[in-house]
Amino acid sequence: DGGITQSPKYLFRKEGQNVTLSCEQNLNHDAMYWYRQDPGQGLRLIYYSQIVNDFQKGDIAEGYSVSREKKESFPLTVTSAQKNPTAFYLCASSGDWNSPLHFGNGTRLTVT
Amino acid sequence: GQQLNQSPQSMFIQEGEDVSMNCTSSSIFNTWLWYKQDPGEGPVLLIALYKAGELTSNGRLTAQFGTTRKDSFLNISASIPSDVGIYFCAELPQGGSEKLVFGKGTKLTVNP
Repeated sequence: DGGITQSPKYLFRKEGQNVTLSCEQNLNHDAMYWYRQDPGQGLRLIYYSQIVNDFQKGDIAEGYSVSREKKESFPLTVTSAQKNPTAFYLCASSGDWNSPLHFGNGTRLTVT
Repeated sequence: GQQLNQSPQSMFIQEGEDVSMNCTSSSIFNTWLWYKQDPGEGPVLLIALYKAGELTSNGRLTAQFGTTRKDSFLNISASIPSDVGIYFCAELPQGGSEKLVFGKGTKLTVNP
C-alpha cells in the first residue's frame, strides 16, 4: 500500500546534539512538508518542498534544516540551535501544489 | 495572517450521542478540510469540501461548507469509542498547499 513512513516513532537525544528524522513516501507525490505539533497549538509548518532539490522555509524554520535529494525522501534535521526541540513532528505530502495533505504517523522527539 | 477559530476546544460525551464542532475563518477560502488524529498518530483526512453550501457525508460523519465561505461544521452521529481523538479543520487557500491553515483542534472523549 502507498503511504508515508516516518521513523523512528520515538527519539531521545541529549541537549546540544543534532538529530535527523526520516520521512519516506511512495505515493509519487511532488510536494512534501514538515510540521511541528505542540499541545494546544495545532500544527505549525517548519519546511516544505514542492519539487526535488528545492525547499522553502515555513513559519518556524529556525533551528531546523532539510534536504530533498530524492522525490520520495524529505529528512528533517533538528539542530542544537533549536531552543525547544521536544515535540511531535509530522511529515506530509501532497500530489500537487493545491491538494489536501496526507500525513505520516509522526515522530515524538524528546530532548533532555 | 488568516485566523481559524475551531470550537469547542474539547468535548466529553457518552457513547451513542451526536457531536457537532465548527470552524470559522476571518477570510473567504475555497476549500475546507476535516482531519482526525488518533492519539500518537498522524492526522487522517476525513472530508474535503470544495464549494460553498456543499454538504458531504462519510459514514456517520457529515460536514458542510458554509454559504458565506467563512465557516464549516462537522457532525458525528451515534458516537462510538473509536471516535476518540482530535479533530482538526483546515483551510486550503489558492496559491499552494504550503499555505494550509489549521484550527487548533477539538479533542473528543467518548465514554462507553
